Amino acid sequence: DTAVSQTPKYLVTQMGNDKSIKCEQNLGHDTMYWYKQDSKKFLKIMFSYNNKELIINETVPNRFSPKSPDKAHLNLHINSLELGDSAVYFCASSPAGFGQPQHFGDGTRLSIL
Amino acid sequence: QKEVEQNSGPLSVPEGAIASLNCTYSDRGSQSFFWYRQYSGKSPELIMSIYSNGDKEDGRFTAQLNKASQYVSLLIRDSQPSDSATYLCAVNNQAGTALIFGKGTTLSVSS
Repeated sequence: DTAVSQTPKYLVTQMGNDKSIKCEQNLGHDTMYWYKQDSKKFLKIMFSYNNKELIINETVPNRFSPKSPDKAHLNLHINSLELGDSAVYFCASSPAGFGQPQHFGDGTRLSIL
Repeated sequence: QKEVEQNSGPLSVPEGAIASLNCTYSDRGSQSFFWYRQYSGKSPELIMSIYSNGDKEDGRFTAQLNKASQYVSLLIRDSQPSDSATYLCAVNNQAGTALIFGKGTTLSVSS
């Protein structure tokens, strides 16, 4: 059984389009995250949600809007895509409690033409 | 800006040798420390977590933590070609709400 699943795995689209990435976890975790890994492989936190509430919103353009319909799902919608948005986006989840390890999904590779 | 520093490598070791990976962090308030392994094109996979000073062993892996020196390391004994990957050091922020990752060290184990 897949613990943290993301769809789609690959996303190729044109500049200016709007796209969404979905994430679901079946681990019963309370906290979910979105990370961006750029071409230099640097992995950086974008958003963190705890039980559907936004906890962290790092310096991310407001074209990026996360939505958590329930604690098992965290989706990422991106408006007006730009070339610099090309990256791999990882969803992760962790149990409740301070400093818990995070478990990552397989990632979504977003390519902007 | 809280930072986690790692040598990018590549670190090259022969099969059977000990690989030593190092990491320093800037936030003295950090309490939780993790090592992730990432194969090319794959997602980060948790291999070790450590929360208190000293050593923690799990199979061929040993994590070492020294909070006074703000230093975390990972030793891989009897290195195998399948250990060739990028190793990411991650440290929790003070609030425990997010991981701050280093840029990773690429390990290459030759047979």
